[in-house]
Amino acid sequence: DAGVIQSPRHEVTEMGQEVTLRCKPISGHDYLFWYRQTMMRGLELLIYFNNNVPIDDSGMPEDRFSAKMPNASFSTLKIQPSEPRDSAVYFCASTSTETVNTEAFFGQGTRLTVV
Amino acid sequence: LAKTTQPISMDSYEGQEVNITCSHNNIATNDYITWYQQFPSQGPRFIIQGYKTKVTNEVASLFIPADRKSSTLSLPRVSLSDTAVYYCLVGDLKAAGNKLTFGGGTRVLVKP
Repeated sequence: DAGVIQSPRHEVTEMGQEVTLRCKPISGHDYLFWYRQTMMRGLELLIYFNNNVPIDDSGMPEDRFSAKMPNASFSTLKIQPSEPRDSAVYFCASTSTETVNTEAFFGQGTRLTVV
Repeated sequence: LAKTTQPISMDSYEGQEVNITCSHNNIATNDYITWYQQFPSQGPRFIIQGYKTKVTNEVASLFIPADRKSSTLSLPRVSLSDTAVYYCLVGDLKAAGNKLTFGGGTRVLVKP
């Protein structure tokens, strides 16, 4: 398996524009997590899914953020409208109840810059 | 997940052993102790996990005392490439409502 695949790797956008980040989890994994990482706030959990269903979105900062998982092999994180303070590295991770407990596999991340 | 406390940073030299201790006083009976490593510009990577006593793999060793209120990650003979942030997590992902939450981590700098 190629691991967790995120796209794009880098995104530069203007304030007010819509941004969509994409994630393909490892095949067979039933958990998917979205994180945001900044120097100031560290690695923050935004939302996670189990069997394509959002379980906990308490980490989503504002209504401008939304995440979907239409099927087991694809998830999106959307920011609309984007703001400069959204600039960060966004990671997607997946795991399975069949793997070692609390072992998750992370993608390479998407570095988002909002100007 | 249970709250964890670990040092913010540690410096070491090549060839030395690095030990990072994590405190988790309110660990629950079913909780596992897991360590992740993150290199710059990469996502965290699972290193090792344990429940009690000692666990060793090709990367590190994990020492867990009987009361499980702390754990120590040991990196033997570090090299410059071991410079990274190391995160300690405690929890049971398979328990309902649990989730993978990272703390601040320990920034390890290996010097030549």
